[in-house]
Amino acid sequence: EVQLVQSGAEVKKPGESLTISCKASGYGFTNFWVGWVRQMPGKGLEWMGLIALRDSETFYRPTFQGQVTISADRSISTAYLHWSSLQASDTAVYYCLTAVDGLFYFDFCGQGTLVTVSS
Amino acid sequence: QSALTQPASVSGSPGQSITISCTGTSSDVGGYNFVSWYQQHSGQAPKLMIYDVSNRPSGVSNRFSGSKSGNSASLTISGLQAEDEADYFCSSFTNRRTYVFGTGTKVTVL
Repeated sequence: EVQLVQSGAEVKKPGESLTISCKASGYGFTNFWVGWVRQMPGKGLEWMGLIALRDSETFYRPTFQGQVTISADRSISTAYLHWSSLQASDTAVYYCLTAVDGLFYFDFCGQGTLVTVSS
Repeated sequence: QSALTQPASVSGSPGQSITISCTGTSSDVGGYNFVSWYQQHSGQAPKLMIYDVSNRPSGVSNRFSGSKSGNSASLTISGLQAEDEADYFCSSFTNRRTYVFGTGTKVTVL
């Protein structure tokens, strides 16, 4: 069975950097897209961007362009979401989801990573 | 690109049918047959319920169905059950090669 396992909860201070991860198991990771989704406290889901595992082609939604960096290491079936300087407004749960390359729906979702940014 | 528009809440009695709308533009919903619907129970990760407008993943009840007309898509839940109480989000592929979610709809089973 496909599983996406995300890294654990993080508590950070404003201005700090952070990378969270999403590791896939149960299938070969090469021909997939990985998307990242933000859910702020009590709010809805927001697509942040996505990355193609075959060649690391990446697309960001305008709101998140320049605010985060999405990357991946397909040799270890892992995708990453990175902030160079966190803000309090980055406090949220972040989910990773996967889609088979060539298809346009994300059918598996990680358990979520809670990021808390507070001074 | 703005979020797709959904009603904030929809309610129904057990056994009834409800429909949730999702309105976008020609740059997303209207331009592609790549609309998905996700169910999210409180404190849990989203779960794919419908993909490519009207297809159900394996294991999803046939009480869930989807459709699209123009710039709007819809999710219908028939034979409403207590377990269907959750938040529902539509999602569409866009002309920027990313995706956009809807604003979300809270379904209450009376």
